[in-house]
Amino acid sequence: DARVTQTPRHKVTEMGQEVTMRCQPILGHNTVFWYRQTMMQGLELLAYFRNRAPLDDSGMPKDRFSAEMPDATLATLKIQPSEPRDSAVYFCASGLTGSSYTFGSGTRLTVV
Amino acid sequence: KQEVTQIPAALSVPEGENLVLNCSFTDSAIYNLQWFRQDPGKGLTSLLLIQSSQREQTSGRLNASLDKSSGRSTLYIAASQPGDSATYLCAVRQDSGGSNYKLTFGKGTLLTVNP
Repeated sequence: DARVTQTPRHKVTEMGQEVTMRCQPILGHNTVFWYRQTMMQGLELLAYFRNRAPLDDSGMPKDRFSAEMPDATLATLKIQPSEPRDSAVYFCASGLTGSSYTFGSGTRLTVV
Repeated sequence: KQEVTQIPAALSVPEGENLVLNCSFTDSAIYNLQWFRQDPGKGLTSLLLIQSSQREQTSGRLNASLDKSSGRSTLYIAASQPGDSATYLCAVRQDSGGSNYKLTFGKGTLLTVNP
């Protein structure tokens, strides 16, 4: 089965450090999403791309977060500087128009 | 702004019972609705996708219905098994002329099926 691959699976970092999370979407999928999941807020959309172009990043704190898609096989989410409140599970998902979306296994980020 | 609510937040049932999970959304102008399953510490697995023109979808012991006008969907699980224990999430995609692709999620229902 095709799947969305996220790395790293777990990341512990100190406050103020830069964090980069990577996602390899399913080949051929033209829409890629970044979601964040916390116990309090549930799943929140941070940003998404269609055909590699950013369509919506309104859910992302722009002073510290950035999302890019340098090519069709790689999406990145970067936090600089990281803060303890960024601790969460970050999910990448990909899909095609009108179809269901496939989620990766997530990156569990802990900022101490 | 679309809001998705799932009731109950948690549900515990004995094995073999049929059960219904509920999802409601405030804006009925949706493109589709998707049900996901999430196991502890894992990602989301898509269970069923219902397009706005459809009334229901079935997969094995799962049946999802959609009443777009009233802003409701239900997920029916027949003959529940301990392996069905997980969090079930409902998500809607807005209909904005085909230019809005993002999903808005409910906070999920934590289901426990006891042997």
